[in-house]
Amino acid sequence: EPEVTQTPSHQVTQMGQEVILRCVPISNHLYFYWYRQILGQKVEFLVSFYNNEISEKSEIFDDQFSVERPDGSNFTLKIRSTKLEDSAMYFCASPPAMISTDTQYFGPGTRLTVL
Amino acid sequence: AQKVTQAQTEISVVEKEDVTLDCVYETRDTTYYLFWYKQPPSGELVFLIRRNSFDEQNEISGRYSWNFQKSTSSFNFTITASQVVDSAVYFCALSEGIGANNLFFGTGTRLTVIP
Repeated sequence: EPEVTQTPSHQVTQMGQEVILRCVPISNHLYFYWYRQILGQKVEFLVSFYNNEISEKSEIFDDQFSVERPDGSNFTLKIRSTKLEDSAMYFCASPPAMISTDTQYFGPGTRLTVL
Repeated sequence: AQKVTQAQTEISVVEKEDVTLDCVYETRDTTYYLFWYKQPPSGELVFLIRRNSFDEQNEISGRYSWNFQKSTSSFNFTITASQVVDSAVYFCALSEGIGANNLFFGTGTRLTVIP
């Protein structure tokens, strides 16, 4: 299975602080996704990113969230001012082919804990 | 609007029993993709299968098999001769249309295989 890596594996932060979650997708891919899973709940789509632009975002992805690909490799999700309800597992996903409808392989996730 | 329903919240079986996990979906698109992912206790999301809406052939992979029926909008997953290592949460997901498509997940079914 193609590998998507994420760092850190676990992030603990204080409410109101900024956090940056990082993802290294499968190389040379154009489509990237972020999903969120609150503990014990289903996986929810946050945002998709294509050709260095947001292509689609959900209602969850409000102004406190942003994504970018600063160095052409890493793909980051920034939460500007964390809230308690942002505590969740955040997954990055990427299809291993140039076709976006191909299978999305998920990274191992970053568990974010907001205190 | 798209929707994925996994009515079974939790299932327990004794090792070596067969078990079927149900998935019912709703979509207005004629082109769509269906997926199953496994989430073991370690938390990662492991891809199991992808099926497109034009291919209703059932698929078998080892102890796993999938039954796709467009007439009932179902994509059920059967594990034959279950093993303890099959214990996990299983998610069914839907992706619509062509282009940068995010996944809509069901709420998952927690499978516990008792030795």
